[in-house]
Amino acid sequence: GESVGLHLPTLSVQEGDNSIINCAYSNSASDYFIWYKQESGKGPQFIIDIRSNMDKRQGQRVTVLLNKTVKHLSLQIAATQPGDSAVYFCAENEVSGGGADGLTFGKGTHLIIQP
Amino acid sequence: ETGVTQTPRHLVMGMTNKKSLKCEQHLGHNAMYWYKQSAKKPLELMFVYSLEERVENNSVPSRFSPECPNSSHLFLHLHTLQPEDSALYLCASSQHYRGGNTGELFFGEGSRLTVL
Repeated sequence: GESVGLHLPTLSVQEGDNSIINCAYSNSASDYFIWYKQESGKGPQFIIDIRSNMDKRQGQRVTVLLNKTVKHLSLQIAATQPGDSAVYFCAENEVSGGGADGLTFGKGTHLIIQP
Repeated sequence: ETGVTQTPRHLVMGMTNKKSLKCEQHLGHNAMYWYKQSAKKPLELMFVYSLEERVENNSVPSRFSPECPNSSHLFLHLHTLQPEDSALYLCASSQHYRGGNTGELFFGEGSRLTVL
């Protein structure tokens, strides 16, 4: 099966609420994780990353949480806005062992913002 | 404004046609990539070039032929394609192929290919 996956293909949230998008991975050797956002008609855009020596990292309105014990990654978006509507991909890499071609993507979760 | 530019944005071709997709990166990066994005599938890596040398070819059919004349430009030459090759083809670049936070890819907006 896939080494990286997402729990839900679609997530619908009310504008202003917080969103949580989840991702599971299976490669225990993965040490670098990334979230990408892909808006309709555009290419994926880097949001935030986290290394395996951390369990939490915050950006502007986004937080990534890493639980290495259960191999789980999540992206939290605070106060969701219409502009957050997009497909969100998690990706993993075993940086110590290779190059950027080792990046493995999940299928993506489509975040829908309800007015 | 993305630092990675792809042309054309849309392409419709017959199975006997020959066409090319072009990618240009303005970021001074050393590595460039072609990905295929099909509906309901994860991104599939096709080719990787690092410092203009091909470093990865993920068993891509020979009807897809990449070319990297310099570190800023990447082409994907297409010939005798099949309808199942219809997809969004994404070009990406990264500062390095190995080392650092490898995985921070900068994507173009893609070329939507339809094969009739």
